Amino acid sequence: GESVGLHLPTLSVQEGDNSIINCAYSNSASDYFIWYKQESGKGPQFIIDIRSNMDKRQGQRVTVLLNKTVKHLSLQIAATQPGDSAVYFCAEMLNRDDKIIFGKGTRLHILP
Amino acid sequence: DGGITQSPKYLFRKEGQNVTLSCEQNLNHDAMYWYRQDPGQGLRLIYYSQIVNDFQKGDIAEGYSVSREKKESFPLTVTSAQKNPTAFYLCASSVLAEILYEQYFGPGTRLTVT
Repeated sequence: GESVGLHLPTLSVQEGDNSIINCAYSNSASDYFIWYKQESGKGPQFIIDIRSNMDKRQGQRVTVLLNKTVKHLSLQIAATQPGDSAVYFCAEMLNRDDKIIFGKGTRLHILP
Repeated sequence: DGGITQSPKYLFRKEGQNVTLSCEQNLNHDAMYWYRQDPGQGLRLIYYSQIVNDFQKGDIAEGYSVSREKKESFPLTVTSAQKNPTAFYLCASSVLAEILYEQYFGPGTRLTVT
């Protein structure tokens, strides 16, 4: 069975509604931020990225917002679909460093 | 098709045994990484390598060892010294470039040690 441990925060959203997943990052010197989607039993997939000199970046049905003042990153998914059900991780890259630091993730659950 | 492969998908071992997890990529990426994922936690970096025959420890390297004899391959050995080896292990690779920094992940290997 699954080992006992911390549970991921969960966000439940009605199918068709917009989803907003939030993340607080740790280092004000971080230069690059990435959102990953991880479906059950699979490796993470890149969704969208943003550099620290930007506040907003849009992709297909997704938007990432960066607020450097409060070290906050958010991922907005428009018109959420059943296929969006997954764990979403934010990640930051320290300036002049090639290590990526991942957040704990948020589980997105789609309600029919 | 280009990509990263990890094998096997599921691996079972007895406590006290060393086990090696395979990671191969045909993306011609310079850098490769190993992460560990536990329930309710983010990915944690074990080891990474930017170039053949060179690698660096990540945040939780104790009890693990790696080699990078070929650009395409970055195997991870989980030794008997690793106190809690049961986890989901993810391998990744990336191009080392200033602008593009996207890590491509393999499908993962779930290791269970009893």
